[in-house]
Amino acid sequence: AQSVTQLGSHVSVSEGALVLLRCNYSSSVPPYLFWYVQYPNQGLQLLLKYTSAATLVKGINGFEAEFKKSETSFHLTKPSAHMSDAAEYFCAVSGGNQGGKLIFGQGTELSVKP
Amino acid sequence: DTAVSQTPKYLVTQMGNDKSIKCEQNLGHDTMYWYKQDSKKFLKIMFSYNNKELIINETVPNRFSPKSPDKAHLNLHINSLELGDSAVYFCASSPLAELNEQFFGPGTRLTVL
Repeated sequence: AQSVTQLGSHVSVSEGALVLLRCNYSSSVPPYLFWYVQYPNQGLQLLLKYTSAATLVKGINGFEAEFKKSETSFHLTKPSAHMSDAAEYFCAVSGGNQGGKLIFGQGTELSVKP
Repeated sequence: DTAVSQTPKYLVTQMGNDKSIKCEQNLGHDTMYWYKQDSKKFLKIMFSYNNKELIINETVPNRFSPKSPDKAHLNLHINSLELGDSAVYFCASSPLAELNEQFFGPGTRLTVL
C-alpha cells in the first residue's frame, strides 16, 4: 500500500523568502513521486517528478525536490518565493504496477505575502 | 490547443437526477482517469481506462459509470445524484507508463442541490 502525508495544510512566506513544502511517503515498492500545483479554479499542473534517476529533481518555475529514501521524504523547495507561486500544492506517489494510479497527499496551500 | 478538455465546467442539478461529464484528450495517450476532489481539496482516483479497457475501479458507488467510446474519450455518468456527490471532478490522461506524468483537465464543478 502507498500513502502520502503533507505536513502543514497551509504555509505562508514572504515574497523573496525560501519556500519549503514537506512531503513524506510510504510505499512497499520503489516509488515514483510527483509534485503538482493547482491554481484557483484550475486543473493540476506537474511541477516535477522523481522516477528513480537523480535524487535531486529540478522542475518548472524554479522549484526542486530531493528524494531521501532514508527519511521517506520528497520535500519541495524554491529559493525565492514570488507572488505568483501562491497556489495549492500536492505531493503524489505511484508505483508497483497499479496502472498509474496516483495517491495524493492532502495538499498544502501556499500564501505569499508582499 | 487544449490537451485535456472537460464539459461542462459547471454543473448544478437536483438530487435524484442523472448527469454526465465528458472528457476528451488530444495527446494520443493510452490511459485516462477520473479523480474526485472534495470540498477539502482532497483528490482521490475513481477510475482508470487503458485503451478503452477499465483497469482501475476504486470503491465508488455503482451509481457512477465510466464509459470510454475510444481511447481519446472517457465520460462519467452519474445516476441518482446525491448531495455528497458535490465535488470537482477531474479527468486526466497519460501515456501507458507509471512514471509518466498525468495531464489534468480543468475540472467540472458539480453541485447537487
